[in-house]
Amino acid sequence: AQSVSQHNHHVILSEAASLELGCNYSYGGTVNLFWYVQYPGQHLQLLLKYFSGDPLVKGIKGFEAEFIKSKFSFNLRKPSVQWSDTAEYFCAVNDYKLSFGAGTTVTVRA
Amino acid sequence: GAGVSQSPSNKVTEKGKDVELRCDPISGHTALYWYRQSLGQGLEFLIYFQGNSAPDKSGLPSDRFSAERTGGSVSTLTIQRTQQEDSAVYLCASSLGTSGGTVLVYFGPGTRLTVL
Repeated sequence: AQSVSQHNHHVILSEAASLELGCNYSYGGTVNLFWYVQYPGQHLQLLLKYFSGDPLVKGIKGFEAEFIKSKFSFNLRKPSVQWSDTAEYFCAVNDYKLSFGAGTTVTVRA
Repeated sequence: GAGVSQSPSNKVTEKGKDVELRCDPISGHTALYWYRQSLGQGLEFLIYFQGNSAPDKSGLPSDRFSAERTGGSVSTLTIQRTQQEDSAVYLCASSLGTSGGTVLVYFGPGTRLTVL
Protein backbone atom coordinates (compact mmCIF):
# COMPACT_ATOMS: atom_id res chain seq x y z
CA ALA A 1 0.00 0.00 0.00
CA GLN A 2 1.18 3.49 -0.74
CA SER A 3 1.96 6.01 1.97
CA VAL A 4 3.01 9.62 1.93
CA SER A 5 4.97 11.57 4.51
CA GLN A 6 5.34 15.30 4.68
CA HIS A 7 8.30 16.58 6.60
CA ASN A 8 6.96 19.79 8.05
CA HIS A 9 3.82 20.27 10.06
CA HIS A 10 3.87 24.07 10.15
CA VAL A 11 6.07 26.50 8.26
CA ILE A 12 6.13 30.23 8.96
CA LEU A 13 7.69 32.56 6.42
CA SER A 14 7.93 36.21 5.55
CA GLU A 15 6.77 37.49 2.20
CA ALA A 16 9.35 37.11 -0.59
CA ALA A 17 11.03 34.21 1.20
CA SER A 18 11.53 30.96 -0.66
CA LEU A 19 9.43 27.93 0.22
CA GLU A 20 10.23 24.26 -0.01
CA LEU A 21 7.94 21.56 1.36
CA GLY A 22 9.18 18.03 1.56
CA CYS A 23 7.20 15.00 0.48
CA ASN A 24 8.29 11.37 0.41
CA TYR A 25 6.21 8.47 -0.77
CA SER A 26 6.38 4.76 -0.32
CA TYR A 27 5.01 2.87 -3.27
CA GLY A 28 6.51 0.21 -5.46
CA GLY A 29 4.58 0.77 -8.65
CA THR A 30 4.22 3.57 -11.14
CA VAL A 31 3.55 6.70 -9.18
CA ASN A 32 1.22 9.51 -9.95
CA LEU A 33 1.95 12.41 -7.65
CA PHE A 34 -0.01 15.50 -6.71
CA TRP A 35 0.13 18.56 -4.58
CA TYR A 36 -3.18 19.97 -3.41
CA VAL A 37 -3.75 23.26 -1.61
CA GLN A 38 -6.52 24.31 0.74
CA TYR A 39 -6.81 28.05 1.28
CA PRO A 40 -8.59 29.20 4.44
CA GLY A 41 -12.30 28.59 4.10
CA GLN A 42 -11.97 27.02 0.67
CA HIS A 43 -11.98 23.47 -0.57
CA LEU A 44 -9.07 21.43 -1.84
CA GLN A 45 -7.66 22.51 -5.18
CA LEU A 46 -5.09 20.88 -7.39
CA LEU A 47 -1.80 22.77 -7.39
CA LEU A 48 0.18 20.51 -9.72
CA LYS A 49 0.61 16.91 -10.79
CA TYR A 50 3.20 14.50 -12.10
CA PHE A 51 2.30 11.47 -14.19
CA SER A 52 5.37 10.97 -16.38
CA GLY A 53 7.94 12.84 -18.46
CA ASP A 54 9.84 15.89 -17.26
CA PRO A 55 10.37 15.41 -13.53
CA LEU A 56 10.17 19.15 -12.94
CA VAL A 57 6.54 20.14 -13.12
CA LYS A 58 5.06 23.58 -12.92
CA GLY A 59 1.72 24.37 -11.40
CA ILE A 60 -0.46 27.31 -10.71
CA LYS A 61 0.57 30.47 -8.88
CA GLY A 62 4.29 30.02 -9.49
CA PHE A 63 4.63 26.69 -7.72
CA GLU A 64 6.78 23.87 -9.02
CA ALA A 65 7.71 20.41 -7.84
CA GLU A 66 10.50 18.01 -8.66
CA PHE A 67 10.06 14.26 -8.83
CA ILE A 68 13.24 12.46 -7.79
CA LYS A 69 12.62 8.76 -8.25
CA SER A 70 15.81 7.64 -6.50
CA LYS A 71 14.81 9.54 -3.39
CA PHE A 72 11.09 8.73 -3.57
CA SER A 73 10.51 12.45 -3.23
CA PHE A 74 8.23 15.06 -4.75
CA ASN A 75 9.13 18.34 -3.07
CA LEU A 76 7.16 21.50 -3.66
CA ARG A 77 8.89 24.84 -4.19
CA LYS A 78 8.12 28.47 -4.73
CA PRO A 79 10.94 31.02 -5.08
CA SER A 80 9.09 33.95 -3.52
CA VAL A 81 5.95 33.53 -1.46
CA GLN A 82 3.15 35.99 -1.02
CA TRP A 83 0.76 36.53 1.87
CA SER A 84 -1.93 34.89 -0.26
CA ASP A 85 0.02 31.62 -0.22
CA THR A 86 -1.05 31.10 3.37
CA ALA A 87 -2.80 27.72 3.19
CA GLU A 88 -2.51 24.05 3.97
CA TYR A 89 -0.60 21.98 1.43
CA PHE A 90 -1.09 18.27 0.87
CA CYS A 91 1.08 15.87 -1.06
CA ALA A 92 -0.69 12.81 -2.48
CA VAL A 93 0.00 9.67 -4.48
CA ASN A 94 -2.60 7.97 -6.63
CA ASP A 95 -2.86 4.47 -8.02
CA TYR A 96 -6.64 4.32 -8.12
CA LYS A 97 -7.36 6.44 -5.05
CA LEU A 98 -5.50 9.35 -3.56
CA SER A 99 -3.45 8.74 -0.43
CA PHE A 100 -2.51 11.97 1.29
CA GLY A 101 0.23 13.11 3.57
CA ALA A 102 -0.69 14.76 6.87
CA GLY A 103 -0.41 18.21 5.35
CA THR A 104 1.78 21.25 5.99
CA THR A 105 0.31 24.50 7.20
CA VAL A 106 2.10 27.43 5.63
CA THR A 107 1.74 30.86 7.21
CA VAL A 108 3.15 33.80 5.29
CA ARG A 109 3.65 36.96 7.29
CA ALA A 110 3.24 40.26 5.46
CA GLY B 1 -19.79 24.16 -14.76
CA ALA B 2 -21.03 22.65 -11.53
CA GLY B 3 -18.49 21.09 -9.26
CA VAL B 4 -18.89 18.49 -6.55
CA SER B 5 -21.55 19.56 -4.12
CA GLN B 6 -22.18 18.35 -0.60
CA SER B 7 -24.95 18.83 1.88
CA PRO B 8 -25.37 19.89 4.55
CA SER B 9 -22.38 22.19 4.85
CA ASN B 10 -22.54 21.92 8.62
CA LYS B 11 -24.15 19.33 10.85
CA VAL B 12 -24.32 19.36 14.60
CA THR B 13 -25.66 16.25 16.25
CA GLU B 14 -25.81 14.60 19.62
CA LYS B 15 -23.77 11.58 20.52
CA GLY B 16 -25.61 8.41 19.63
CA LYS B 17 -27.67 9.88 16.81
CA ASP B 18 -27.39 8.77 13.18
CA VAL B 19 -26.38 11.22 10.45
CA GLU B 20 -26.51 11.16 6.66
CA LEU B 21 -24.18 13.20 4.51
CA ARG B 22 -24.91 13.71 0.83
CA CYS B 23 -22.62 14.11 -2.16
CA ASP B 24 -23.48 15.09 -5.73
CA PRO B 25 -20.49 14.38 -7.96
CA ILE B 26 -19.66 16.15 -11.18
CA SER B 27 -21.98 14.96 -13.92
CA GLY B 28 -20.48 12.07 -15.86
CA HIS B 29 -17.84 11.23 -13.27
CA THR B 30 -17.87 7.51 -12.66
CA ALA B 31 -15.57 7.45 -9.65
CA LEU B 32 -16.60 8.85 -6.29
CA TYR B 33 -14.59 9.02 -3.09
CA TRP B 34 -15.22 9.89 0.53
CA TYR B 35 -12.48 11.25 2.77
CA ARG B 36 -12.39 12.47 6.34
CA GLN B 37 -10.32 15.46 7.40
CA SER B 38 -9.64 15.71 11.10
CA LEU B 39 -7.54 18.33 12.82
CA GLY B 40 -3.95 17.19 12.76
CA GLN B 41 -4.83 13.95 10.97
CA GLY B 42 -4.68 14.99 7.35
CA LEU B 43 -7.02 13.39 4.86
CA GLU B 44 -8.14 9.88 5.58
CA PHE B 45 -9.59 7.73 2.79
CA LEU B 46 -12.93 6.18 3.69
CA ILE B 47 -14.58 4.57 0.65
CA TYR B 48 -14.42 4.57 -3.13
CA PHE B 49 -17.01 3.78 -5.80
CA GLN B 50 -16.18 3.12 -9.44
CA GLY B 51 -19.02 2.51 -11.85
CA ASN B 52 -20.85 -0.73 -11.12
CA SER B 53 -17.91 -2.36 -9.37
CA ALA B 54 -18.05 -3.33 -5.73
CA PRO B 55 -16.97 -0.36 -3.61
CA ASP B 56 -13.62 -0.28 -1.87
CA LYS B 57 -14.61 0.04 1.78
CA SER B 58 -11.13 -0.52 3.16
CA GLY B 59 -10.94 2.89 4.80
CA LEU B 60 -14.15 2.81 6.78
CA PRO B 61 -13.10 3.07 10.46
CA SER B 62 -15.89 0.96 11.92
CA ASP B 63 -19.12 -0.80 11.04
CA ARG B 64 -20.99 2.31 12.14
CA PHE B 65 -19.93 3.86 8.84
CA SER B 66 -21.55 2.93 5.56
CA ALA B 67 -22.06 4.52 2.18
CA GLU B 68 -24.11 3.91 -0.90
CA ARG B 69 -24.22 5.33 -4.35
CA THR B 70 -27.53 5.30 -6.11
CA GLY B 71 -27.82 5.19 -9.88
CA GLY B 72 -24.12 5.74 -10.28
CA SER B 73 -24.44 9.35 -9.20
CA VAL B 74 -25.46 10.68 -5.79
CA SER B 75 -23.82 9.14 -2.75
CA THR B 76 -24.82 9.11 0.90
CA LEU B 77 -22.42 8.50 3.77
CA THR B 78 -24.21 7.29 6.88
CA ILE B 79 -22.73 7.29 10.36
CA GLN B 80 -24.76 5.40 12.94
CA ARG B 81 -24.60 6.00 16.69
CA THR B 82 -22.24 8.94 16.26
CA GLN B 83 -19.36 9.39 18.68
CA GLN B 84 -17.42 12.52 19.52
CA GLU B 85 -14.38 11.21 17.67
CA ASP B 86 -16.47 11.24 14.48
CA SER B 87 -16.32 15.04 14.52
CA ALA B 88 -14.47 16.05 11.37
CA VAL B 89 -14.93 17.47 7.90
CA TYR B 90 -16.18 14.84 5.49
CA LEU B 91 -15.05 15.44 1.94
CA CYS B 92 -16.47 13.95 -1.20
CA ALA B 93 -14.58 13.85 -4.48
CA SER B 94 -15.16 12.57 -7.98
CA SER B 95 -13.20 11.80 -11.12
CA LEU B 96 -13.64 10.45 -14.63
CA GLY B 97 -12.79 6.87 -13.81
CA THR B 98 -9.40 6.04 -12.38
CA SER B 99 -7.11 5.18 -15.33
CA GLY B 100 -4.50 3.83 -12.97
CA GLY B 101 -4.30 7.07 -11.10
CA THR B 102 -3.71 9.46 -13.99
CA VAL B 103 -6.93 11.33 -13.48
CA LEU B 104 -7.80 14.59 -11.86
CA VAL B 105 -9.83 14.27 -8.70
CA TYR B 106 -12.14 17.14 -7.81
CA PHE B 107 -13.18 17.79 -4.25
CA GLY B 108 -16.36 19.21 -2.81
CA PRO B 109 -16.51 21.82 -0.05
CA GLY B 110 -17.08 19.25 2.65
CA THR B 111 -19.57 18.72 5.45
CA ARG B 112 -18.37 19.77 8.88
CA LEU B 113 -19.78 17.30 11.41
CA THR B 114 -19.77 18.16 15.08
CA VAL B 115 -20.85 15.52 17.57
CA LEU B 116 -21.71 16.94 20.97
